[in-house]
Amino acid sequence: NAGVTQTPKFRILKIGQSMTLQCTQDMNHNYMYWYRQDPGMGLKLIYYSVGAGITDKGEVPNGYNVSRSTTEDFPLRLELAAPSQTSVYFCASTSRWVPYEQYFGPGTRLTVT
Amino acid sequence: AQSVTQPDIHITVSEGASLELRCNYSYGATPYLFWYVQSPGQGLQLLLKYFSGDTLVQGIKGFEAEFKRSQSSFNLRKPSVHWSDAAEYFCAVDAGTGNQFYFGTGTSLTVIP
Repeated sequence: NAGVTQTPKFRILKIGQSMTLQCTQDMNHNYMYWYRQDPGMGLKLIYYSVGAGITDKGEVPNGYNVSRSTTEDFPLRLELAAPSQTSVYFCASTSRWVPYEQYFGPGTRLTVT
Repeated sequence: AQSVTQPDIHITVSEGASLELRCNYSYGATPYLFWYVQSPGQGLQLLLKYFSGDTLVQGIKGFEAEFKRSQSSFNLRKPSVHWSDAAEYFCAVDAGTGNQFYFGTGTSLTVIP
């Protein structure tokens, strides 16, 4: 199993550009998550999904959108990139079984200039 | 609201010395508790977890953690630190639903020879 994979690993965007961060898991997990990690701030939940077709906002959803058309994929969309979205983005997944330990992807480092 | 506090932003220990990283949580009931480690440029890897039973849990790489309900703490320990343990450590709490997952701000560990 590849686990959780994310693409791209690095990206530089100009202000106002759009992009999609890809996330795929091959563990048949129902739950998937997007976090951003800023220095000294830990991880903040952006969006999560409890299954295909079901998504919900986390702590910091503004400026982002998600979709979940399949169990495997959970892309994160940035519509109008802003410097405040410069961060490292992590995708994670977990099964529905307690305890909900999360499996993380390697991250995407995004810089908006 | 639930929260996780890691009071130590940065800790430096000598190789071979013992280590304790602190974690306190705020939650009405007993949550599910986790410790993750993040090496530079990498995603998060689960070290250990607690959800019930014995309050002293063993994890990978020689780490252990003790859940103390009276102190709302879940401190991570290692009796003898190795240089390869230098990394960022995150404590995390799940309220038990799979979609309420909170991370502390992390503790950066430096190991000196």
